[in-house]
Amino acid sequence: RKEVEQDPGPFNVPEGATVAFNCTYSNSASQSFFWYRQDCRKEPKLLMSVYSSGNEDGRFTAQLNRASQYISLLIRDSKLSDSATYLCVVLSGGYNKLIFGAGTRLAVHP
Amino acid sequence: NAGVTQTPKFQVLKTGQSMTLQCAQDMNHEYMSWYRQDPGMGLRLIHYSVGAGITDQGEVPNGYNVSRSTTEDFPLRLLSAAPSQTSVYFCASSGPGSSGANVLTFGAGSRLTVL
Repeated sequence: RKEVEQDPGPFNVPEGATVAFNCTYSNSASQSFFWYRQDCRKEPKLLMSVYSSGNEDGRFTAQLNRASQYISLLIRDSKLSDSATYLCVVLSGGYNKLIFGAGTRLAVHP
Repeated sequence: NAGVTQTPKFQVLKTGQSMTLQCAQDMNHEYMSWYRQDPGMGLRLIHYSVGAGITDQGEVPNGYNVSRSTTEDFPLRLLSAAPSQTSVYFCASSGPGSSGANVLTFGAGSRLTVL
């Protein structure tokens, strides 16, 4: 079993839709969680950290469920510019213990 | 502020050739790392460094060497290229972001093809 698992997608949604991605992790001792965004043929960039109480940044909401060992990302009012691959990242120690999921691809169409 | 700079962006090698991927950062970050990204897989850590003169192996170190003589530079050397090393390579460094928490910043990537 992979340490961090994501549905690869693609998720094809129309503009304005709400879409949610889930990610599960296997190490119950993991202490920090992140969502990164990666555009086609570009480098990953931090989208947001995920806090225990859940957090929101504009149209994006991230939640953490430690008991079930999953994190989620909700995107409201999808824009064409949201089309990208979203990487779930889990930290289980020092930065050498950052584990990346394979990513979930989102395609937003007009 | 250039951030993390990687060169070259593209490279084609023949099996058995050696080469060095260059990485430089201007953010005075202590932590630097190299990842490879292959289709259907997450980024996998090759080597990392927590400061000048200190390096260590990651998840997939075989076939690669690194050194860290300065804080700014962290080159990745392929000793004898193999087709299995065809991949996209990302260098990254970590330091405090605007919120104070450490943020991993990536270079633009280097696409390597080994024939």
